[in-house]
Amino acid sequence: GAGVSQSPSNKVTEKGKDVELRCDPISGHTALYWYRQSLGQGLEFLIYFQGNSAPDKSGLPSDRFSAERTGGSVSTLTIQRTQQEDSAVYLCASSLVGRDDYGYTFGSGTRLTVV
Amino acid sequence: SQKIEQNSEALNIQEGKTATLTCNYTNYSPAYLQWYRQDPGRGPVFLLLIRENEKEKRKERLKVTFDTTLKQSLFHITASQPADSATYLCAPPEGGRRALTFGSGTRLQVQP
Repeated sequence: GAGVSQSPSNKVTEKGKDVELRCDPISGHTALYWYRQSLGQGLEFLIYFQGNSAPDKSGLPSDRFSAERTGGSVSTLTIQRTQQEDSAVYLCASSLVGRDDYGYTFGSGTRLTVV
Repeated sequence: SQKIEQNSEALNIQEGKTATLTCNYTNYSPAYLQWYRQDPGRGPVFLLLIRENEKEKRKERLKVTFDTTLKQSLFHITASQPADSATYLCAPPEGGRRALTFGSGTRLQVQP
């Protein structure tokens, strides 16, 4: 696609429920990243996928968080048993590996509110 | 891990002036730094990359410098316009990880 697409754009869920956030990266971008941004804060790294390599999960805050990337394209971030502190904007980005000069292309994010 | 420091206070300047934003890092010197712009409700947008062996990089009204001795990058917008109002983020790669580490950003407000 022309850009990184994320869905839904907004999600309100009850505490304890599971949520799935979707990211559709730019076609041909082999690297995909998930970050989250709390109100007024910087971006917090969550997970990084690169081709067929094992993902870098070092940023996932707890075992309630998981992510997968199917067919080297679409990615889903799953949060189980959501807590209020999970409320944030979840941003997905993709990039061309080895082409740092082009930077990351971000989606507009999914705003998650846990009530 | 790398710690990025950007001025958390908003920078307010008059239209036409040069805005200068600062990014300090406290740990190892990264191979490069990227700068992004973020508007409210949107994801960051890539602006420029500067490598450690480059003292300065320019793109239109933007100029970035990289001083590995001071562990600092400066981001300049010349002839600033109200449309330049946004939050600007600096981002070096994390040491052992391919992904970028982002600073919390500095909000720039250009007054007409």
